[in-house]
Amino acid sequence: EVQLVQSGAEVKKPGDSLKISCKGSGYTFTNYWIGWVRQMPGKGLEWMGIIYPDDSDTTYSPSFEGLVKMSADKSISTAYLQWSSLKASDTAVYYCARGMGDLWGQGTMVTVSS
Amino acid sequence: DIVMTQSPDSLAVSLGERATINCKSSQSVLYSSNNQNYLAWFQQKPGQPPKLLISSASTRKSGVPDRFSGSGSGTDFTLTISGLQAEDVAVYYCQQYYTTPLFSFGQGTKLEIK
Repeated sequence: EVQLVQSGAEVKKPGDSLKISCKGSGYTFTNYWIGWVRQMPGKGLEWMGIIYPDDSDTTYSPSFEGLVKMSADKSISTAYLQWSSLKASDTAVYYCARGMGDLWGQGTMVTVSS
Repeated sequence: DIVMTQSPDSLAVSLGERATINCKSSQSVLYSSNNQNYLAWFQQKPGQPPKLLISSASTRKSGVPDRFSGSGSGTDFTLTISGLQAEDVAVYYCQQYYTTPLFSFGQGTKLEIK
């Protein structure tokens, strides 16, 4: 089955670091970009950026440049999204998506609260 | 940046009737080299990831019911749901992927049953 499976929900404190994952299966992982999308509570979809797992070429949306880091390990067909210092405003559901969005992960809920 | 603007923000339609959602881009998403519009429509139900319905402005993804149709070109696009069914209640988003690898979504249109 072609799918993207994301890591589970996280509850963190402000200032904590975090790395969430997105594992692809059922297709050639290195042939497709993986994008990350933020959805804050009750809000719309925001495209954060995209990574090409074959060479880790990464492009960030200007709104997210410097705030998060995207990476990938093609040997295990997994893409990552990480923060070095979380803020309460990072509370959201984060989705990974293949290419322009023909396949999506189930989402990872990140809650940042003191 | 290409800004996508949807109208209306919310919509209530009777079962069996037609729902129409509009999307306008701040610049053309039509690639002249292949005459394709880089415009997609997504459906998101509560607690679920978005689901791709239509790409290239009018090409339904395999398995999407034919009551969903997309039209338009350049900067103005429409998603039409003919014969609304209860399971169509969702938030609908348009997305441009003209500026690959960075994309942008409309703000979303919430569709409810009247």
